[in-house]
Amino acid sequence: SFVLTQPPSVSVAPGKTATITCGGNNIGSKSVHWYQQKPGQAPVLVVYDDVHRPSGIPERFSGTNSGNTATLTISRVEAGDEADYYCQSWDSRSDQAVFGGGTQLTVL
Amino acid sequence: EVQLIESGGGLVQPGGSLRLSCEASGFTVRSNYMTWVRQAPGKGLEWVSSMYSGGSTYYADSVKGRFIVSRDNSKNTLFLQMTSLRAEDTAIYYCARVVITYWYIDLWGRGTLVTVSS
Repeated sequence: SFVLTQPPSVSVAPGKTATITCGGNNIGSKSVHWYQQKPGQAPVLVVYDDVHRPSGIPERFSGTNSGNTATLTISRVEAGDEADYYCQSWDSRSDQAVFGGGTQLTVL
Repeated sequence: EVQLIESGGGLVQPGGSLRLSCEASGFTVRSNYMTWVRQAPGKGLEWVSSMYSGGSTYYADSVKGRFIVSRDNSKNTLFLQMTSLRAEDTAIYYCARVVITYWYIDLWGRGTLVTVSS
């Protein structure tokens, strides 16, 4: 299966914009999804199919996907956004989910 | 309420077996694509196994031949039978539902911890 690569950590000051990348060979041709996971909790979907937000997810969360990089952008970052973020796609050849290694977002 | 509740985790010795259960509420397991995802302590998410509504099953190479996913439609429950357990199988195991339109997980259980240790 293919590999999705994320930076281990990203730091951002409150009120600023956080950008978390997810790299993969021609990932722009695949559908990419993003999950937020806080300590001791199950993951929560924040963006699906590259750009769509589930109901209840703030507009501050947005996604893009092109070429070899998918990106999750969090605008006007709040302390409550501090969490691990995972990108995910699907390998249709082996019929399995593929997750990135995760990015720990720290709000300074 | 739509939810998934896992159970069956615990401490098991290397080489032992364990069966995890995932009871669904608010929707029908047999009509959905269900999956197991695990997370080792301090590590990332790892796909383990999936079951189509039609009954087809798929496994990660790391568990193939040792784990079996199944379901009981009368109990609306998904199972993961784990055998020949190894220390590296230690993880929180999440049951989840997949939306096959775009292949993402829209519903997660809270997870159940499996610890393989002597």
